[in-house]
Amino acid sequence: AQSVSQHNHHVILSEAASLELGCNYSYGGTVNLFWYVQYPGQHLQLLLKYFSGDPLVKGIKGFEAEFIKSKFSFNLRKPSVQWSDTAEYFCAVNYYNDYKLSFGAGTTVTVRA
Amino acid sequence: NAGVMQNPRHLVRRRGQEARLRCSPMKGHSHVYWYRQLPEEGLKFMVYLQKENIIDESGMPKERFSAEFPKEGPSILRIQQVVRGDSAAYFCASSPPQGIDTEAFFGQGTRLTVV
Repeated sequence: AQSVSQHNHHVILSEAASLELGCNYSYGGTVNLFWYVQYPGQHLQLLLKYFSGDPLVKGIKGFEAEFIKSKFSFNLRKPSVQWSDTAEYFCAVNYYNDYKLSFGAGTTVTVRA
Repeated sequence: NAGVMQNPRHLVRRRGQEARLRCSPMKGHSHVYWYRQLPEEGLKFMVYLQKENIIDESGMPKERFSAEFPKEGPSILRIQQVVRGDSAAYFCASSPPQGIDTEAFFGQGTRLTVV
């Protein structure tokens, strides 16, 4: 079965700092990769996804992620965070063309003004 | 276009009671998925339904849990005789009919607390 590891449980940053959240998965075959965000009191929302093509994926709100197949990683980055980026971030993976998502445990990001 | 709607947002039940969680998919979506998030863990797949059909319930506990998605109305996740270990956040997602590039849209979740 797929397993997804997120390296940090809780990250605290100041505004304008750079953010990088790690994500590694266990499966060696073809996968689809996702980052979701959940702002306080809101639904889980897709930030970005990778299905194929350019391994550097740009998402909403200035986020990007890089798929490194050799490292089984899909790390999320943002060069300069804002207070409004305070949220919980989830990495998720599924087999190519499968509907089941495997999620990491999530990383809570707190941005201090 | 309203998103995936889950209710209630918070549900408190005493041990032994029944919990019913509702999910209304996005308009035009005929596929519904339920996930459970236990404390300190990621979301875990429970069940995948299409209208009037359970497609995959491999993640559902064998007893006390059931799910349905009737022809009319929301999808229901039902937990009978709840125990403390059922306390978790339950998320519903919906998607249109499957394609290579299909994205699932999630609701806000229902936080179940069993006391």
